[in-house]
Amino acid sequence: AQTVTQSQPEMSVQEAETVTLSCTYDTSENNYYLFWYKQPPSRQMILVIRQEAYKQQNATENRFSVNFQKAAKSFSLKISDSQLGDTAMYFCAFKTNYGGSQGNLIFGKGTKLSVKP
Amino acid sequence: EAQVTQNPRYLITVTGKKLTVTCSQNMNHEYMSWYRQDPGLGLRQIYYSMNVEVTDKGDVPEGYKVSRKEKRNFPLILESPSPNQTSLYFCASRRQGIFEKLFFGSGTQLSVL
Repeated sequence: AQTVTQSQPEMSVQEAETVTLSCTYDTSENNYYLFWYKQPPSRQMILVIRQEAYKQQNATENRFSVNFQKAAKSFSLKISDSQLGDTAMYFCAFKTNYGGSQGNLIFGKGTKLSVKP
Repeated sequence: EAQVTQNPRYLITVTGKKLTVTCSQNMNHEYMSWYRQDPGLGLRQIYYSMNVEVTDKGDVPEGYKVSRKEKRNFPLILESPSPNQTSLYFCASRRQGIFEKLFFGSGTQLSVL
């Protein structure tokens, strides 16, 4: 079974600094997709960034970037120039179309990030 | 505006009283899904549907029912709610492609007393 592990339940960072959130996953599949979702206090789930496993290049979206290490099954999220609005719960998620999972999204338990002024 | 609409946003009920949480999407998405979110457990899938009249169990289906009679609607039914079903519930939808973005509703906070 595929699993997603976020080892940091809570983190904090000073405004304008950089923070990295960790995510590891376990799968025997070679073709899959990885995502980071943000959940601010409003509870809305917002897609931050996504990565296709067959792509070598790490995905980037403005201040958000990932460090995808396929051999290590690691998918960390780097937030540069942290802003107060980045305060949220962050979920790492995994998806594959194989192994009977039908393309369902499997989530980690989340990392609560606090950006301090 | 493209969206997934869940109702109600908040619901307090008592053990055993049947309830339905509605979910509707206006994007003509084939795939729809229900998740529950609990502190320290992340989001866990309850049920999903690949298309009309096609539904299947997720990781935590016990105590829930769903139906998909129309493409746009995917209600979640709790026939006899229990306190362990107190949770934050999300409905989500997407197009069929594996890399397609999942659109989430705003969530329903359910408390079962």
